[in-house]
Amino acid sequence: GAGVSQSPRYKVAKRGQDVALRCDPISGHVSLFWYQQALGQGPEFLTYFQNEAQLDKSGLPSDRFFAERPEGSVSTLKIQRTQQEDSAVYLCASSPGGRTHEQYFGPGTRLTVT
Amino acid sequence: LAKTTQPISMDSYEGQEVNITCSHNNIATNDYITWYQQFPSQGPRFIIQGYKTKVTNEVASLFIPADRKSSTLSLPRVSLSDTAVYYCLVGDMEVAGNNRKLIWGLGTSLAVNP
Repeated sequence: GAGVSQSPRYKVAKRGQDVALRCDPISGHVSLFWYQQALGQGPEFLTYFQNEAQLDKSGLPSDRFFAERPEGSVSTLKIQRTQQEDSAVYLCASSPGGRTHEQYFGPGTRLTVT
Repeated sequence: LAKTTQPISMDSYEGQEVNITCSHNNIATNDYITWYQQFPSQGPRFIIQGYKTKVTNEVASLFIPADRKSSTLSLPRVSLSDTAVYYCLVGDMEVAGNNRKLIWGLGTSLAVNP
Protein backbone atom coordinates (compact mmCIF):
# COMPACT_ATOMS: atom_id res chain seq x y z
CA GLY A 1 0.00 0.00 0.00
CA ALA A 2 0.97 3.65 -0.14
CA GLY A 3 3.46 4.84 2.42
CA VAL A 4 4.00 8.29 3.86
CA SER A 5 4.55 10.90 1.20
CA GLN A 6 6.02 14.36 1.53
CA SER A 7 6.10 17.29 -0.82
CA PRO A 8 8.04 18.98 -2.11
CA ARG A 9 11.06 16.68 -1.92
CA TYR A 10 13.39 19.66 -2.32
CA LYS A 11 12.81 23.29 -1.54
CA VAL A 12 15.15 26.22 -1.96
CA ALA A 13 14.05 29.40 -0.23
CA LYS A 14 15.61 32.78 0.05
CA ARG A 15 16.19 33.98 3.58
CA GLY A 16 13.06 35.65 4.85
CA GLN A 17 10.64 33.69 2.69
CA ASP A 18 7.84 31.57 4.11
CA VAL A 19 7.67 27.88 3.23
CA ALA A 20 5.04 25.18 3.65
CA LEU A 21 5.91 21.50 3.76
CA ARG A 22 3.24 18.88 3.29
CA CYS A 23 2.90 15.40 4.73
CA ASP A 24 0.42 12.75 3.64
CA PRO A 25 0.43 10.02 6.28
CA ILE A 26 -0.68 6.44 5.85
CA SER A 27 -4.46 6.35 5.75
CA GLY A 28 -5.97 5.67 9.16
CA HIS A 29 -2.84 6.40 11.14
CA VAL A 30 -3.73 8.29 14.29
CA SER A 31 -0.32 9.65 15.20
CA LEU A 32 1.79 12.02 13.12
CA PHE A 33 5.24 13.34 13.93
CA TRP A 34 7.49 15.99 12.43
CA TYR A 35 11.28 15.83 12.80
CA GLN A 36 14.17 18.00 11.70
CA GLN A 37 17.39 16.29 10.67
CA ALA A 38 20.59 18.20 10.12
CA LEU A 39 23.40 16.65 8.12
CA GLY A 40 25.19 13.95 10.09
CA GLN A 41 22.76 14.16 13.00
CA GLY A 42 19.86 12.06 14.17
CA PRO A 43 16.29 13.25 13.69
CA GLU A 44 15.21 15.85 16.20
CA PHE A 45 11.60 15.84 17.38
CA LEU A 46 9.57 18.91 16.45
CA THR A 47 5.93 18.14 17.14
CA TYR A 48 3.34 15.37 17.53
CA PHE A 49 -0.33 15.08 16.59
CA GLN A 50 -2.90 12.58 17.71
CA ASN A 51 -5.62 12.91 15.09
CA GLU A 52 -6.12 16.66 14.74
CA ALA A 53 -4.88 17.51 18.22
CA GLN A 54 -1.35 18.80 18.55
CA LEU A 55 -0.33 17.16 21.82
CA ASP A 56 3.32 18.13 21.92
CA LYS A 57 5.03 21.02 20.18
CA SER A 58 7.92 21.31 22.57
CA GLY A 59 10.48 20.66 19.84
CA LEU A 60 9.53 23.56 17.58
CA PRO A 61 12.64 25.76 17.66
CA SER A 62 10.88 29.12 17.51
CA ASP A 63 7.53 30.77 16.96
CA ARG A 64 8.41 30.93 13.27
CA PHE A 65 7.55 27.23 13.10
CA PHE A 66 3.93 26.21 12.97
CA ALA A 67 2.31 22.85 12.27
CA GLU A 68 -1.28 21.86 11.70
CA ARG A 69 -3.36 18.79 10.93
CA PRO A 70 -6.87 20.21 10.71
CA GLU A 71 -8.77 17.09 9.65
CA GLY A 72 -6.60 14.51 11.30
CA SER A 73 -4.93 13.34 8.11
CA VAL A 74 -2.71 15.61 5.97
CA SER A 75 -0.34 17.83 7.93
CA THR A 76 1.52 20.98 7.00
CA LEU A 77 4.65 22.36 8.61
CA LYS A 78 5.04 26.05 7.97
CA ILE A 79 8.20 28.03 8.55
CA GLN A 80 7.91 31.78 8.44
CA ARG A 81 10.76 34.16 7.63
CA THR A 82 13.20 31.32 6.96
CA GLN A 83 16.75 31.60 8.26
CA GLN A 84 19.87 29.79 7.11
CA GLU A 85 19.87 27.67 10.25
CA ASP A 86 16.51 26.24 9.14
CA SER A 87 18.29 24.37 6.34
CA ALA A 88 17.77 20.69 7.06
CA VAL A 89 15.74 17.66 6.05
CA TYR A 90 12.24 17.73 7.49
CA LEU A 91 10.86 14.26 8.11
CA CYS A 92 7.27 13.29 8.69
CA ALA A 93 6.25 9.99 10.25
CA SER A 94 2.91 8.39 11.01
CA SER A 95 1.95 5.61 13.35
CA PRO A 96 -1.22 3.61 13.91
CA GLY A 97 -1.10 4.56 17.57
CA GLY A 98 -1.46 2.22 20.44
CA ARG A 99 1.36 0.62 22.33
CA THR A 100 4.08 0.94 19.75
CA HIS A 101 6.88 3.23 18.76
CA GLU A 102 6.78 1.87 15.21
CA GLN A 103 6.68 4.91 13.01
CA TYR A 104 6.53 4.99 9.23
CA PHE A 105 8.66 7.73 7.77
CA GLY A 106 8.34 9.66 4.56
CA PRO A 107 11.35 10.43 2.37
CA GLY A 108 11.68 13.92 3.82
CA THR A 109 11.83 17.40 2.38
CA ARG A 110 15.28 18.88 2.01
CA LEU A 111 15.06 22.60 2.70
CA THR A 112 17.93 24.85 1.70
CA VAL A 113 17.77 28.49 2.75
CA THR A 114 20.07 30.76 0.78
CA LEU B 1 13.43 10.93 28.84
CA ALA B 2 16.08 8.28 28.95
CA LYS B 3 19.26 9.03 27.06
CA THR B 4 20.99 6.37 25.00
CA THR B 5 24.64 5.83 24.19
CA GLN B 6 25.86 3.76 21.26
CA PRO B 7 29.12 3.45 19.33
CA ILE B 8 29.53 6.10 16.66
CA SER B 9 30.69 3.62 14.03
CA MET B 10 31.30 -0.06 13.39
CA ASP B 11 32.88 -2.05 10.59
CA SER B 12 31.98 -5.54 9.49
CA TYR B 13 32.23 -7.92 6.55
CA GLU B 14 29.61 -9.62 4.47
CA GLY B 15 28.24 -12.77 6.05
CA GLN B 16 29.23 -11.86 9.60
CA GLU B 17 26.88 -11.37 12.52
CA VAL B 18 26.87 -7.80 13.81
CA ASN B 19 25.94 -6.84 17.36
CA ILE B 20 25.34 -3.19 18.21
CA THR B 21 25.00 -2.44 21.90
CA CYS B 22 23.13 0.53 23.28
CA SER B 23 23.40 1.81 26.84
CA HIS B 24 20.36 3.33 28.56
CA ASN B 25 21.14 3.49 32.25
CA ASN B 26 18.19 5.70 33.15
CA ILE B 27 15.49 3.66 31.46
CA ALA B 28 12.13 4.00 33.18
CA THR B 29 9.67 1.28 34.05
CA ASN B 30 7.27 2.14 31.23
CA ASP B 31 9.96 2.61 28.58
CA TYR B 32 10.32 0.35 25.56
CA ILE B 33 13.45 0.01 23.43
CA THR B 34 13.15 0.60 19.70
CA TRP B 35 15.69 0.36 16.89
CA TYR B 36 15.61 2.09 13.51
CA GLN B 37 17.73 1.86 10.38
CA GLN B 38 18.40 4.80 8.08
CA PHE B 39 19.94 4.83 4.62
CA PRO B 40 21.28 8.05 3.09
CA SER B 41 18.57 10.33 1.69
CA GLN B 42 15.78 8.20 3.15
CA GLY B 43 13.62 8.38 6.24
CA PRO B 44 14.38 5.95 9.09
CA ARG B 45 12.87 2.48 8.94
CA PHE B 46 11.61 0.60 11.99
CA ILE B 47 13.55 -2.60 12.73
CA ILE B 48 12.44 -3.98 16.07
CA GLN B 49 11.21 -3.05 19.54
CA GLY B 50 11.06 -4.81 22.87
CA TYR B 51 10.64 -4.49 26.62
CA LYS B 52 12.69 -7.31 28.11
CA THR B 53 14.50 -10.59 27.34
CA LYS B 54 14.64 -11.39 23.63
CA VAL B 55 12.64 -10.35 20.60
CA THR B 56 13.21 -11.76 17.13
CA ASN B 57 11.73 -10.92 13.76
CA GLU B 58 12.68 -11.70 10.18
CA VAL B 59 15.28 -8.94 10.14
CA ALA B 60 17.00 -8.88 13.53
CA SER B 61 17.05 -9.94 17.16
CA LEU B 62 16.98 -7.69 20.18
CA PHE B 63 18.53 -8.84 23.44
CA ILE B 64 17.63 -7.04 26.66
CA PRO B 65 19.18 -8.13 29.98
CA ALA B 66 17.17 -8.29 33.17
CA ASP B 67 18.25 -4.87 34.42
CA ARG B 68 17.28 -3.31 31.05
CA LYS B 69 20.14 -0.82 31.27
CA SER B 70 21.39 -1.87 27.87
CA SER B 71 20.22 -3.67 24.77
CA THR B 72 21.90 -5.35 21.82
CA LEU B 73 20.66 -5.35 18.26
CA SER B 74 21.88 -8.44 16.44
CA LEU B 75 21.94 -8.55 12.63
CA PRO B 76 22.64 -12.06 11.33
CA ARG B 77 24.83 -12.52 8.25
CA VAL B 78 25.00 -8.91 7.12
CA SER B 79 25.26 -7.92 3.48
CA LEU B 80 26.50 -4.78 1.77
CA SER B 81 22.93 -3.47 1.76
CA ASP B 82 22.93 -3.38 5.57
CA THR B 83 25.35 -0.44 5.46
CA ALA B 84 23.35 2.25 7.21
CA VAL B 85 22.97 4.23 10.42
CA TYR B 86 21.25 2.38 13.26
CA TYR B 87 19.46 4.28 16.02
CA CYS B 88 18.53 3.03 19.46
CA LEU B 89 15.65 4.84 21.16
CA VAL B 90 13.92 4.53 24.49
CA GLY B 91 10.45 5.83 25.24
CA ASP B 92 7.22 5.52 27.13
CA MET B 93 4.57 3.29 25.62
CA GLU B 94 1.59 4.34 27.68
CA VAL B 95 -1.33 4.78 25.32
CA ALA B 96 -2.92 7.46 27.42
CA GLY B 97 0.25 9.46 27.80
CA ASN B 98 0.73 12.56 25.75
CA ASN B 99 4.47 12.23 25.75
CA ARG B 100 5.27 10.14 22.69
CA LYS B 101 8.49 12.03 22.02
CA LEU B 102 11.54 9.94 21.18
CA ILE B 103 15.07 11.22 21.60
CA TRP B 104 17.32 10.26 18.71
CA GLY B 105 21.08 10.32 19.21
CA LEU B 106 23.75 10.21 16.52
CA GLY B 107 23.21 6.52 15.92
CA THR B 108 25.79 3.92 14.91
CA SER B 109 27.12 4.11 11.38
CA LEU B 110 27.63 0.52 10.25
CA ALA B 111 29.86 -0.13 7.26
CA VAL B 112 29.69 -3.60 5.74
CA ASN B 113 32.68 -4.40 3.58
CA PRO B 114 32.94 -7.04 0.84
